[in-house]
Formats: sequence, C-alpha cells, structure tokens
Amino acid sequence: DGGITQSPKYLFRKEGQNVTLSCEQNLNHDAMYWYRQDPGQGLRLIYYSQIVNDFQKGDIAEGYSVSREKKESFPLTVTSAQKNPTAFYLCASSNGQGGETEAFFGQGTRLTVV
Amino acid sequence: SQQGEEDPQALSIQEGENATMNCSYKTSINNLQWYRQNSGRGLVHLILIRSNEREKHSGRLRVTLDTSKKSSSLLITASRAADTASYFCATDPYTGKLIFGQGTTLQVKP
Repeated sequence: DGGITQSPKYLFRKEGQNVTLSCEQNLNHDAMYWYRQDPGQGLRLIYYSQIVNDFQKGDIAEGYSVSREKKESFPLTVTSAQKNPTAFYLCASSNGQGGETEAFFGQGTRLTVV
Repeated sequence: SQQGEEDPQALSIQEGENATMNCSYKTSINNLQWYRQNSGRGLVHLILIRSNEREKHSGRLRVTLDTSKKSSSLLITASRAADTASYFCATDPYTGKLIFGQGTTLQVKP
C-alpha cells in the first residue's frame, strides 16, 4: 500500500527533553511538510522540503529541527527550546512544489509535555 | 501568517441540507485546495481548483474560485451525518509552500 506513515501516534515528553517524530512516505514524492495544529485551530507550517538534502523554514520553525537525508523520510525533532510543544503534528507529502498537486497526510502524532 | 481564512468558523445543519463554506486569501495564488479532517485524524484532499478555473465539481462537492475577490467557496449538497468534519482551504502563493486557513467545523445532524 502506498502512503505516508507517522509514528508514534502518541508521544509524551518531559520538559527539557528532545523528541523526534517520524514521517515516512513510499509515494516517491519530492516535497514533504511538517505542520503543527493546536486545538480548534488551523495548520501552521513548521518546515518543508522540496528535494532531498534541502529544506526551508516555515512560519513557526523556532524550537524545531528537521533533516532530509532520504527522499522517503523527513523526521522532525522538537527541541527543548520549543516552549509550548504540546500539539498535534501532521506530516504531508506531495508530488510537486507547494500546492501544485494534492498533498497526502499522515495520521498525525499527538505530543504531550508531562 | 495565515494566508486563508474560512467563514463561518462553525456551521450546524440538518441532514439533507446544503452546506456552504467560504475561504478568503490575501495574495495571488497558483491554485486553491480544499481538505477535510475528521476529529483527531490527518487531512484528506477533496478538490483542487486552479487559478484559471472558476468552478469545479466532484460528486456532491462544488467549488468556486473568484480571483478578483480572492475568495473561494465550497458547497456540499444533500449533506449527510458522515460529512461532519472540519474543512480547510489551502493555497499555494507561488512560494513552494502550502498554506492552510483556520478551518470551518461542520456538524450535520441526523
């Protein structure tokens, strides 16, 4: 089955810890995105990557880091510098830049700081 | 910064009625997309309309785009309880990004 997979579904982080959220796609898409969603809110762009070994900051990149060493993988690290990391994180991929084509989303990771 | 804003924020209708949601955006766009999100899940693509198109249909969905007013509308006809979800517009402002609005929460009562 082709698709985009996020793991884990739920993640708990102690204050001061870094955590990494996984995002893998087997759709052969060039572009991948990370969004953050707070309760009752829309999606805010954290980072995006249009090609392997390249990525750009979105609107709320502070406290987050990413890598794009392989086409199929775009992990997001939430660092201790992110002061309010509790949120729902969504990864997406598309076969083109920006909104040229539809984006496919994973099922999300819900991160909670304890 | 948010590119798109949906209106209304929340909508409650009876099954069988039509639901209309609107999206406004700020800058020129390559295209506009609509997505659906069931509670606690990822988003699912519904329809994409390009900047040179004015109207597009897909099943019970009808999308219009008015680039002069920088606005789009999504019409769901003959709504069903299963249409209950949040609906988001997303725009591509020629930056390589896909920017989402705040969403409209639709409740369809059986």
